[in-house]
Amino acid sequence: EPEVTQTPSHQVTQMGQEVILRCVPISNHLYFYWYRQILGQKVEFLVSFYNNEISEKSEIFDDQFSVERPDGSNFTLKIRSTKLEDSAMYFCASAKLDDYEQYFGPGTRLTVT
Amino acid sequence: AQSVTQLDSHVSVSEGTPVLLRCNYSSSYSPSLFWYVQHPNKGLQLLLKYTSAATLVKGINGFEAEFKKSETSFHLTKPSAHMSDAAEYFCVVSLEGYSTLTFGKGTMLLVSP
Repeated sequence: EPEVTQTPSHQVTQMGQEVILRCVPISNHLYFYWYRQILGQKVEFLVSFYNNEISEKSEIFDDQFSVERPDGSNFTLKIRSTKLEDSAMYFCASAKLDDYEQYFGPGTRLTVT
Repeated sequence: AQSVTQLDSHVSVSEGTPVLLRCNYSSSYSPSLFWYVQHPNKGLQLLLKYTSAATLVKGINGFEAEFKKSETSFHLTKPSAHMSDAAEYFCVVSLEGYSTLTFGKGTMLLVSP
């Protein structure tokens, strides 16, 4: 069964560094999302992406964040200058055109030191 | 605006006994409601979804949930717990369509032999 994959599974970075989290959505899906979950807190929406542009973003998704679909298969989340409070589990999800179900990847745990 | 309240952070049951995970929602519009499950080190998996069709929704692994508009509830049940059901369960609400998901804080289900 096709699934969403994410790499790396765990990323450790120093404060102020740039990180890129990678996701490979399911191949025939057209809607892409990033969510994050800070330890002990709710899963929170960050951004949705459709037709090569952001369709919706939350207050969390400020100028430090960007998303890209560089090659038609990967979907990336970049954090330009990481802060301690960016430490969280980041989930990628995708959905196809005729079904609202979002399929989630296993997550990338980002630790900022 | 929409929100979800999961009334229990932890639920403990014995194997073979019924499971009840409680969820109340708030939404300005007719919501779509979901239950997702997360096993350790795994992604979020959809258990079931309500999208304005039948109010009693059957999902995978014997789970079901009933949408009760008058009570703004969407509780998850299973007649007989299995050890493999031990996981974290998230109640999720969205507007219809490809809109973002709003998660509850999650309920950890513990199943003892």
